[in-house]
Amino acid sequence: EVQLVESGGGLVQPGRSLRLSCTASGFTFGDYAMSWVRQAPGKGLEWVGFIRSKAYGGTTEYAASVKGRFTISRDDSKSIAYLQMNSLKTEDTAVYYCTRVNLLLETFDYWGQGTLVTVSS
Amino acid sequence: QSALTQPASVSGSPGQSITISCTGTSSDVGSYNLVSWYQQHPGKAPKLMIYEVSKRPSGVSNRFSGSKSGNTASLTISGLQAEDEADYYCCSYAGSSTFWVFGGGTKLTVL
Repeated sequence: EVQLVESGGGLVQPGRSLRLSCTASGFTFGDYAMSWVRQAPGKGLEWVGFIRSKAYGGTTEYAASVKGRFTISRDDSKSIAYLQMNSLKTEDTAVYYCTRVNLLLETFDYWGQGTLVTVSS
Repeated sequence: QSALTQPASVSGSPGQSITISCTGTSSDVGSYNLVSWYQQHPGKAPKLMIYEVSKRPSGVSNRFSGSKSGNTASLTISGLQAEDEADYYCCSYAGSSTFWVFGGGTKLTVL
């Protein structure tokens, strides 16, 4: 069974940093791209960014709203994807979901339960 | 403002059918047959219901179907059941610059 478990969320002040983790199980982690999608309170979903598998260079792509501030990385030996968030803004407050990406279908086929990040002074 | 436009809410009675629209542009929905639909119950993670416009993942009821015409995709749920009450989001691949865009979500109420 595919499982994605996010951790690392919490309350952080504007301008500070936070790192989220996504621990995967139930599939060969290294074979898949992984993505982060967020949902502000009471709002819709917003794609944040993704990281390709090593077979496709392990490169990353980001939404314009977070480019230059957020960095996605992965540790295939531990089956963990990370989201490093720097220079946080109040508008980054959201539940952050880790998703598995099926690049052939261009879809997010499995989602974690999410972790809440609150940016406030 | 979301990139794809969905109605804020739709409703239907048990057993009826409803359709949720998702309108994009020629840069996303209109250019790729890569539209997905996600169901989200309150406080839960989204669940993939439809991919590649009209395909269902294993385990998803055949009461759910998808289609596309031009820049608008649609999700139809037939034989409405109480458990279908949830928020539904469409998502489209939008090319190798923007990658993915979501709709603002539609709240389905089963009367």
